[in-house]
Amino acid sequence: NAGVTQTPKFQVLKTGQSMTLQCAQDMNHNSMYWYRQDPGMGLRLIYYSASEGTTDKGEVPNGYNVSRLNKREFSLRLESAAPSQTSVYFCASSELGQGFGYTFGSGTRLTVV
Amino acid sequence: QKEVEQNSGPLSVPEGAIASLNCTYSDRVSQSFFWYRQYSGKSPELIMSIYSNGDKEDGRFTAQLNKASQYVSLLIRDSQPSDSATYLCAASTASGGSYIPTFGRGTSLIVHP
Repeated sequence: NAGVTQTPKFQVLKTGQSMTLQCAQDMNHNSMYWYRQDPGMGLRLIYYSASEGTTDKGEVPNGYNVSRLNKREFSLRLESAAPSQTSVYFCASSELGQGFGYTFGSGTRLTVV
Repeated sequence: QKEVEQNSGPLSVPEGAIASLNCTYSDRVSQSFFWYRQYSGKSPELIMSIYSNGDKEDGRFTAQLNKASQYVSLLIRDSQPSDSATYLCAASTASGGSYIPTFGRGTSLIVHP
């Protein structure tokens, strides 16, 4: 049972380059989320998808786009990477309803130089 | 702006003692609350969830919720060195067809032998 799988685990980009972070879950969860985690800042929500076919902005969406490809997959795209986007990115998923927890992937450590 | 506040610590306790972690939240309509443990370099993992006032016990862990005071706590009994980690508190609010968690910045716990 893989849970939430993120790829890649590590990435170094040059300023201005683009890339897509991939996330897939095998728990049949409806909702999926992208967070970034920076030292001293905690987890901040970038985008979320309540269910297949819907996406919404979170707290820090600028510079990112997302695609909910199907129920399993939710990708995060950086169109023109900036050093301020250096962070650890976590994908998470959850079942709909009050009280259900969030299962996190292992994270992608991104460095933009 | 929804906020979840935690003391950053570190909280240092001796092995076998009770560790008490606290959290306050600003959004009065938050419905579900979660405690996550995060080891350095790893992803957050769910310890407990709670959404009714009072106490909820699971093994060595007890979560306490007081909605009137907007306060959540986590007690860890018989603390072990393996409990040394950062503990994240999250408050979840219904939004856009999903339940969106807001995370605190975490409290670092050190359990020394």
